[in-house]
Amino acid sequence: KNEVEQSPQNLTAQEGEFITINCSYSVGISALHWLQQHPGGGIVSLFMLSSGKKKHGRLIATINIQEKHSSLHITASHPRDSAVYICAVENNFNKFYFGSGTKLNVKP
Amino acid sequence: KAGVTQTPRYLIKTRGQQVTLSCSPISGHRSVSWYQQTPGQGLQFLFEYFSETQRNKGNFPGRFSGRQFSNSRSEMNVSTLELGDSALYLCASSLVTGQYNEQFFGPGTRLTVL
Repeated sequence: KNEVEQSPQNLTAQEGEFITINCSYSVGISALHWLQQHPGGGIVSLFMLSSGKKKHGRLIATINIQEKHSSLHITASHPRDSAVYICAVENNFNKFYFGSGTKLNVKP
Repeated sequence: KAGVTQTPRYLIKTRGQQVTLSCSPISGHRSVSWYQQTPGQGLQFLFEYFSETQRNKGNFPGRFSGRQFSNSRSEMNVSTLELGDSALYLCASSLVTGQYNEQFFGPGTRLTVL
């Protein structure tokens, strides 16, 4: 069993739609990270959180420590949001475990 | 500040050879982590170095090794290359302040083993 499970694996949306990507984990963590990877490989860290909720522009990340679950929301999605979104958890010894990623395609 | 740089960006090797990849972290960052990304396995953690010491290691065979220098630059080495080692190798650096460990990723080195 994977330490980090993401859903859905693939997601197609129309421009403007509200998008949710889910992440569940089974290990004890010190932090959860949401990463974005564009075609070509470059990875950008979107959020790092250990409790509650964070917001950057149209992106919102939430985490429920008790339920070991996190969600990434994109409001008013845009074609430039098309990318692979990866959930990663960092355990108390700074070791990382990754979800398999969610491939998002936002159509104009 | 310059970002994380990795060299080379692309590399083609044959089975049995060895390869060394280099990573220069953001200035001031003391932690460097290495990851392997393949279509089948996704992102997997290789190892992390902090102040020249390996602090964490993933589940990879001993053919994968690394080191970190006093200026925080890091290298990883793969010996006796196998076809399955073809992957994108990413390094990330972080400042490591208190509890948090925000990772800044380099562009990766795409290794093809023939």
